[in-house]
Amino acid sequence: DTGVSQNPRHKITKRGQNVTFRCDPISGHVSLYWYRQALGQGPEFLTYFQNEAQLEKSRLLSDRFSAERPKGSFSTLEIQRTEQGDSAMYLCASSLEAFSNTGELFFGEGSRLTVL
Amino acid sequence: QKEVEQNSGPLSVPEGAIASLNCTYSDRGSQSFFWYRQYSGKSPELIMSIYSNGDKEDGRFTAQLNKASQYVSLLIRDSQPSDSATYLCAVNTRGSYIPTFGRGTSLIVHP
Repeated sequence: DTGVSQNPRHKITKRGQNVTFRCDPISGHVSLYWYRQALGQGPEFLTYFQNEAQLEKSRLLSDRFSAERPKGSFSTLEIQRTEQGDSAMYLCASSLEAFSNTGELFFGEGSRLTVL
Repeated sequence: QKEVEQNSGPLSVPEGAIASLNCTYSDRGSQSFFWYRQYSGKSPELIMSIYSNGDKEDGRFTAQLNKASQYVSLLIRDSQPSDSATYLCAVNTRGSYIPTFGRGTSLIVHP
C-alpha cells in the first residue's frame, strides 16, 4: 500500500494524558498537512510542513499541540494534557509539490481520538 | 462569516436524478477550488478541481465556478446509491497553498 498511512487508527485516553499520532506520507511528497475533523464538520487546518520545515501553524494549534517532521519523512503530532474538546479525527494529508495551490491532497485514513 | 460555506444537508435525491451541491466562499481573490468526497468513516478523496470560470466535466461530475458571485457547485448526473457520501468543498484563498474546507454536504441517493 503506497498511500498515506496513519497510526494508531483509534486512541482512547483519559483527560490529562499525552497522545502521539504518526503519519507516513506518500514517498516523495514534499508537502504534509495535519487537519482536525470534528463529527459533522469539515477538516480544520492545523499545521503544514514543507519537507522538514514547519511553515504554517493554525491559531487552533495551542501550546499543548506540537508537530514535527524529522528529515522530511514521517510526521508526528503530539497533544499534551488532553482535554475532552480534543476528541476528533486527526487527518494527515500529503501532496507532491511545495507551495502549490493546484495540487491534490492525498489523505490518510485518520486517527480518531476519544478523550474520556 | 466563514470562509467556505456549505449547506450541511442532507440532500436526498432519487437514483438517476441530478444532484446539485453548492458552495460559497468569502475571499474574492481565491484561485483554486476543489470537491472532495468523503464516505462515512473514511478519509476525503479528490473528485474535481476547477480554477477558471465556467464548467468542467469529468464523467458524471460537472464542477461550475462563478468567481463574480463567489460560488462553486458540483453536479452529479445519473446519481447512484454509491454516490451517497459527504461532499466537501475546499478553496485555496488568495496567496495560500493550504485548502480551507467547508463543513460538507451530506448526499443521500435512494433507490
